[in-house]
Amino acid sequence: SAVISQKPSRDICQRGTSLTIQCQVDSQVTMMFWYRQQPGQSLTLIATANQGSEATYESGFVIDKFPISRPNLTFSTLTVSNMSPEDSSIYLCSVDREGLYEQYFGPGTRLTVT
Amino acid sequence: QKEVEQNSGPLSVPEGAIASLNCTYSDQGSQSFFWYRQYSGKSPELIMFIYSNGDKEDGRFTAQLNKASQYVSLLIRDSQPSDSATYLCAVKKSDYKLSFGAGTTVTVRA
Repeated sequence: SAVISQKPSRDICQRGTSLTIQCQVDSQVTMMFWYRQQPGQSLTLIATANQGSEATYESGFVIDKFPISRPNLTFSTLTVSNMSPEDSSIYLCSVDREGLYEQYFGPGTRLTVT
Repeated sequence: QKEVEQNSGPLSVPEGAIASLNCTYSDQGSQSFFWYRQYSGKSPELIMFIYSNGDKEDGRFTAQLNKASQYVSLLIRDSQPSDSATYLCAVKKSDYKLSFGAGTTVTVRA
């Protein structure tokens, strides 16, 4: 399995501001995913980030709100823009080496928007 | 119809008993199936994955897959208080994306 780290682990932000979350993997992976887990809910996929191509977003999520970068095979960022209290969630990145194997999750970023 | 459905919880079992978790999925083209354990305040931890029909055992955990019935289950034998968590069933679709069930919360009573 891959070792995945995320920064920050948690943050409290004011509405209207933006936060960038970093995801670092200890080995090269083809596919990285960003999920959101709202309080008491299961995981919802935000977008898929493959190196060398634009991120693909799921229904209900847009690039202007959740811009993603994937500059290389071990790193990705997710920005939560113009935040509102409804964005308070845990944000998780996950990796899948070739799309054919198991997905592993990072420790998550707990975001609170006041 | 939800893509992945899990049996509603919470599930409470006495220590030492078997906990049985069920999951059904709607996409017949799904090829791989996963069980994650999530402790409160933590990220999901992969505990079992299965690709072929039948049973797969790993320690106290057994995953069972029946593609014809679009059904996957997880058995936890000799349940321990440390098994108390939410268990998430996930199905990988042909586009490599995971679809998650709502989760089943398990409580093991000492």
